[in-house]
Amino acid sequence: GAGVSQTPSNKVTEKGKYVELRCDPISGHTALYWYRQSLGQGPEFLIYFQGTGAADDSGLPNDRFFAVRPEGSVSTLKIQRTERGDSAVYLCASSLAGGPTGELFFGEGSRLTVL
Amino acid sequence: AQSVTQLGSHVSVSEGALVLLRCNYSSSVPPYLFWYVQYPNQGLQLLLKYTSAATLVKGINGFEAEFKKSETSFHLTKPSAHMSDAAEYFCAVSVNQGGKLIFGQGTELSVKP
Repeated sequence: GAGVSQTPSNKVTEKGKYVELRCDPISGHTALYWYRQSLGQGPEFLIYFQGTGAADDSGLPNDRFFAVRPEGSVSTLKIQRTERGDSAVYLCASSLAGGPTGELFFGEGSRLTVL
Repeated sequence: AQSVTQLGSHVSVSEGALVLLRCNYSSSVPPYLFWYVQYPNQGLQLLLKYTSAATLVKGINGFEAEFKKSETSFHLTKPSAHMSDAAEYFCAVSVNQGGKLIFGQGTELSVKP
């Protein structure tokens, strides 16, 4: 596809379970970002990849959250021992080179509900 | 640390009226500023950006924004609202060379017929 693709679009899980959210960026985009958006809030930065490496993971809230991008394309956000407070829409974005003035292209998000 | 504040979580205008969505920023260095729009059930998309060239920036769908350093503002305007402009609008500042964005809390724009 031409845009950023995120799967699943909706995920309902129980407290304590493990969850993986997948992001397929625009082909050729080297920079990839994960954000979390709670109801009524703006997107909150989680982590940024340049190629395969995490260039900035300062937004990850705790060690239950982890993200990988092993081949510099698809990324997976992993959440262990989910809590009700993790419920949110998780957004992925990519940009061509990751510079400070570059446009971020966002996917439609993965809505996570933890019961 | 850089941040943005959007004044007004909800703005309602009549069709054909002026749209004004407010954004103030805080930055210790010259900022790069953005407005993104989120239509229902769609991903965020870029409306316009300020990157230290012209202070008046024109974007898509008739929107524009003016960077005012003295007021630390980057307000978004459109002369005449259309029903299709109803959406959530986010102001954002770029905080480092990597393109990481810090977003405001958003303003929901409603357009009345």
